Amino acid sequence: NAGVTQTPKFRVLKTGQSMTLLCAQDMNHEYMYWYRQDPGMGLRLIHYSVGEGTTAKGEVPDGYNVSRLKKQNFLLGLESAAPSQTSVYFCASSIQGIGTDTQYFGPGTRLTVL
Amino acid sequence: AQRVTQPEKLLSVFKGAPVELKCNYSYSGSPELFWYVQYSRQRLQLLLRHISRESIKGFTADLNKGETSFHLKKPFAQEEDSAMYYCALLTGANNLFFGTGTRLTVIP
Repeated sequence: NAGVTQTPKFRVLKTGQSMTLLCAQDMNHEYMYWYRQDPGMGLRLIHYSVGEGTTAKGEVPDGYNVSRLKKQNFLLGLESAAPSQTSVYFCASSIQGIGTDTQYFGPGTRLTVL
Repeated sequence: AQRVTQPEKLLSVFKGAPVELKCNYSYSGSPELFWYVQYSRQRLQLLLRHISRESIKGFTADLNKGETSFHLKKPFAQEEDSAMYYCALLTGANNLFFGTGTRLTVIP
């Protein structure tokens, strides 16, 4: 039982390049989330999903797209990376919503955009 | 707009001393607050939530709506409590708004 895993762990992009971050969970959780954490700041919610095939915007969704084609996977895409997207990205999952259930976090992906 | 303020970036206490990590919030709705912790080389994890009114690892936190605070307290700090602590506010159905965190160091 690996819990929540994130791929890759580190990545360096040039401005304008695209990439996809993968979050996978093996706990059969319905809810999945993507956060970003900038240096010296708290986590900010980018997008989340309440089930397979559904996605919703969080607090800072601009510049990102997501997909949840399979229940266990939640993909975060950057179509045209910008230096402002340099951050550490965290994925999380929960059985139900945050109000009733515990979130389980992944280890993070450190992304640098040059 | 919502706001979560953790005024101390760093906090050091001696082992056995009481510890209090401060958290103040601003929110127009009914607040639901959490404390998360990240130990060295571990993942972020939930420590406690105010609606549970429970004590986890000796930590407690009381929601004070009058002072808009949710301070985390422990009467006797242990070395294993050294970690990064984040206060978080639930806004909307699934949006957790995190503070900037306080790094607690317990000195042996």
